[in-house]
Amino acid sequence: AQKVTQAQTEISVVEKEDVTLDCVYETRDTTYYLFWYKQPPSGELVFLIRRNSFDEQNEISGRYSWNFQKSTSSFNFTITASQVVDSAVYFCALSESHTGNQFYFGTGTSLTVIP
Amino acid sequence: EPEVTQTPSHQVTQMGQEVILRCVPISNHLYFYWYRQILGQKVEFLVSFYNNEISEKSEIFDDQFSVERPDGSNFTLKIRSTKLEDSAMYFCASQLGRYPNTGELFFGEGSRLTVL
Repeated sequence: AQKVTQAQTEISVVEKEDVTLDCVYETRDTTYYLFWYKQPPSGELVFLIRRNSFDEQNEISGRYSWNFQKSTSSFNFTITASQVVDSAVYFCALSESHTGNQFYFGTGTSLTVIP
Repeated sequence: EPEVTQTPSHQVTQMGQEVILRCVPISNHLYFYWYRQILGQKVEFLVSFYNNEISEKSEIFDDQFSVERPDGSNFTLKIRSTKLEDSAMYFCASQLGRYPNTGELFFGEGSRLTVL
C-alpha cells in the first residue's frame, strides 16, 4: 500500500492562477514528519517544507502555503499567483518514527505553468 | 550555503560493469542516504548510513549494492555488476538529525546512471 498518495499526476495552469497540489498519507505512527520537495527540470530535489505531526498550524511562505489536516491525513500545498518558474515536479514525503529516517515519497505531481 | 555534491553527474556503463557513485555530504551532518529515481517515477529509498554502518536498507539494496565512507568525507555507492534496470538517477542525501528531531534531507543534484 502506498504510504503517500499524490493523485494528481499532471496539472497545467495559466500563469497567475492559484493551484493546489494534493497529498494524502497513511501511517499508524502518532509521531511523523511530512515534507514537500520540488524537482525542477534540472533534476535536483529542493526542500520546501517540513511539518511534524503535532503541529497542524498552516504555514505560509510567500506565494506558498500548506494545509495540514490530520483528520483527513492530508498535507496539501497551494501556490498562489503561479509563475512559470514554478513549473516542476512536486513530491510529498513522509518519515515515520518507527521506521527511523526512511523517507517515503509520493509519485509526484508535475506542474506546468503556462505563460 | 552548504550543499551535497555528487560525481559523476552522468555515467554510461555496460551491463555487468562495476560502478561507483560518489557523494560529499554536508560536513556537520551525521546521516547519509542513497535514493534512486527511475525516469519519470517516484524517488525510492535505497539505504541509510550512520556511524560508519548501514542503519536501514530497502529491498532494492541487494547484494549487488554496497556503501562506504572511506575517508570521513566521501560517501560512495557501489554497484558490483550493473543491470539494465539499474538505470536511474541516484541521489545522495544527508541529514543533520534523526528522530525525534528529524530534519529535512538535503539532496545532491543526482548522478544519472545509464546501463547499456
